[in-house]
Amino acid sequence: AQSVTQLDSQVPVFEEAPVELRCNYSSSVSVYLFWYVQYPNQGLQLLLKYLSGSTLVESINGFEAEFNKSQTSFHLRKPSVHISDTAEYFCAVLILTGGGNKLTFGTGTQLKVEL
Amino acid sequence: DGGITQSPKYLFRKEGQNVTLSCEQNLNHDAMYWYRQDPGQGLRLIYYSQIVNDFQKGDIAEGYSVSREKKESFPLTVTSAQKNPTAFYLCASSMVGVGLSSYEQYFGPGTRLTVT
Repeated sequence: AQSVTQLDSQVPVFEEAPVELRCNYSSSVSVYLFWYVQYPNQGLQLLLKYLSGSTLVESINGFEAEFNKSQTSFHLRKPSVHISDTAEYFCAVLILTGGGNKLTFGTGTQLKVEL
Repeated sequence: DGGITQSPKYLFRKEGQNVTLSCEQNLNHDAMYWYRQDPGQGLRLIYYSQIVNDFQKGDIAEGYSVSREKKESFPLTVTSAQKNPTAFYLCASSMVGVGLSSYEQYFGPGTRLTVT
């Protein structure tokens, strides 16, 4: 069975400080990993994904994540956060099945950026 | 603009009533999904469908039903058998069978259901 662990339910950080949101997964098969962001009362937006190739993936708004197979991790980082980054962030792993592709989500990390 | 619409954004019902949540997409995606979100629990898969007139149970299908009569539409009915129906419900869609592109799911804005 595949699972995703986000150990930090909340991460407070000051504006312009760096941040890391941790994600660990367990999987016995090929791994496809995603980070989604959710603003209050909205749906999920894809932030970045690892499907193949380079283990370091980046988003257009300065976030990056590195797929580390030996540590089974896919931590999300940003060197300098902005107030507008305040949101909930979900890590997810894709399960390939004969009947469809299923996403398994972590429990989420609430990032709160303060002035 | 292509995307997924869910209506209404907020829905209130009395206990014991069935309620149907709407999900429509114009992305020409074959696969559609319903997730339930509760605080501190992430998203859990209720049902999914890869093709019209076919669907599979997800991890928490009890108390829910779906239909897939059209490619664009995947309505979810929350029945009176669902013990804790109050939650935020998210619909998603994806392509099928076109390699890595099919691995990405696109989400709608969600419907917040409150049952009292």
